[in-house]
Amino acid sequence: DIQMTQSPSSLSASIGDRVTITCRASQSISNFLSWYQQKPGKAPKLLIHLALGLQSGVPSRFSGSGSGTDFTLTISSLQPEDFATYYCQHSYSTPYTFGQGTKLEMK
Amino acid sequence: QVQLQESGPGLVKPSGTLSLTCGVSGGSISSSNWWGWVRQSPGKGLEWIGEVYHSGSTNYNPSLKSRVTISVDKSRNHFSLKVNSVTAADTAVYYCARWTTTVGFDYWGQGTLVTVSS
Repeated sequence: DIQMTQSPSSLSASIGDRVTITCRASQSISNFLSWYQQKPGKAPKLLIHLALGLQSGVPSRFSGSGSGTDFTLTISSLQPEDFATYYCQHSYSTPYTFGQGTKLEMK
Repeated sequence: QVQLQESGPGLVKPSGTLSLTCGVSGGSISSSNWWGWVRQSPGKGLEWIGEVYHSGSTNYNPSLKSRVTISVDKSRNHFSLKVNSVTAADTAVYYCARWTTTVGFDYWGQGTLVTVSS
């Protein structure tokens, strides 16, 4: 199985900050990576697909980059509604494992 | 707009079978999508359980494969999850979701909490 490791596990930031979350795969997954946002008590929401493709309806302050084993999710200017937990997931081969999550909290 | 809704018992006894169904509306389960299950133990991260295609083809997480069955019912436009021999470790919120190849899980159910307890 391909293991996905996110860093940091938690992050404190302020409104307007630029935030970057990293996801590393245990082997090359090309660009088969998605990012999700999850708020408490809610289902995850797809933000980014194929490493850098913005899902329809997702604000442009979210962006993704990377290929191979190293990927990043960047929020260019943090908004109040962005405080949540973020997960990466690969889609290279089953099982499509998730990272352990990064909890983004208000400073 | 595709919508998914999980249904099933919220309480299952240890060693019993967890059974959930995911109803799909606003779209056909016979579309070119896979249909999957994800679970989240209390306070923990997301775990991919497996997926099914309308043809009946399945893929499972090896960590659960011996206990899990995912099936599809095209006539009812729904798919189902069964987990056998459950323990407290299977207590989780279970989500059903639509998988679009190269995109990911683009539509999700609201999730349903299943507690394993006597």
